[in-house]
Amino acid sequence: DTEVTQTPKHLVMGMTNKKSLKCEQHMGHRAMYWYKQKAKKPPELMFVYSYEKLSINESVPSRFSPECPNSSLLNLHLHALQPEDSALYLCASSQEVTGNEKLFFGSGTQLSVL
Amino acid sequence: AQSVAQPEDQVNVAEGNPLTVKCTYSVSGNPYLFWYVQYPNRGLQFLLKYITGDNLVKGSYGFEAEFNKSQTSFHLKKPSALVSDSALYFCAVRAPRGGFKTIFGAGTRLFVKA
Repeated sequence: DTEVTQTPKHLVMGMTNKKSLKCEQHMGHRAMYWYKQKAKKPPELMFVYSYEKLSINESVPSRFSPECPNSSLLNLHLHALQPEDSALYLCASSQEVTGNEKLFFGSGTQLSVL
Repeated sequence: AQSVAQPEDQVNVAEGNPLTVKCTYSVSGNPYLFWYVQYPNRGLQFLLKYITGDNLVKGSYGFEAEFNKSQTSFHLKKPSALVSDSALYFCAVRAPRGGFKTIFGAGTRLFVKA
């Protein structure tokens, strides 16, 4: 199994809603990532987890709250988002954080904030 | 600070012709260089990477890339383009002094015309 699975594929939410994005991998990878991608732009790193511990937070607003319940799962909890937060949210994983490992990406969650 | 530049927003090529997508980088120390491809509404897929050794790296789907240290470039090439190669291509760099964060270039859209 060389897949990173993200759910849901699409999400529409209001600015007062609370929702969660989910990511799962069964490749035994110890590093997991959240990226945000606006249309026709490169992915921007948000968070990095290494061995289930948050190792990098790229100054992301607190309305985004990551969680890594175990080595296979990564969640992104959303609360009180703004319309400018509408984007494709990509989860990725790699064998380790350090080194030359490639990233495996999920297909993403297309988020629209109304 | 590390950075990646993709000087062309778009590259147009006829099917069967060779293609080149350009990438230059700026990092401290020895970088790990990657190419990823993204199809519409999908996550990024790994194509190839340069770690060390032979400057010509071969990857998936017939793509290859040439590492040139003196020009700090890592151009993506394919001898004969296919219509199905049309996609968004990202060059990326990962370096020890950058905390091994993967930094993506702005992306180059490749159009292959039949």
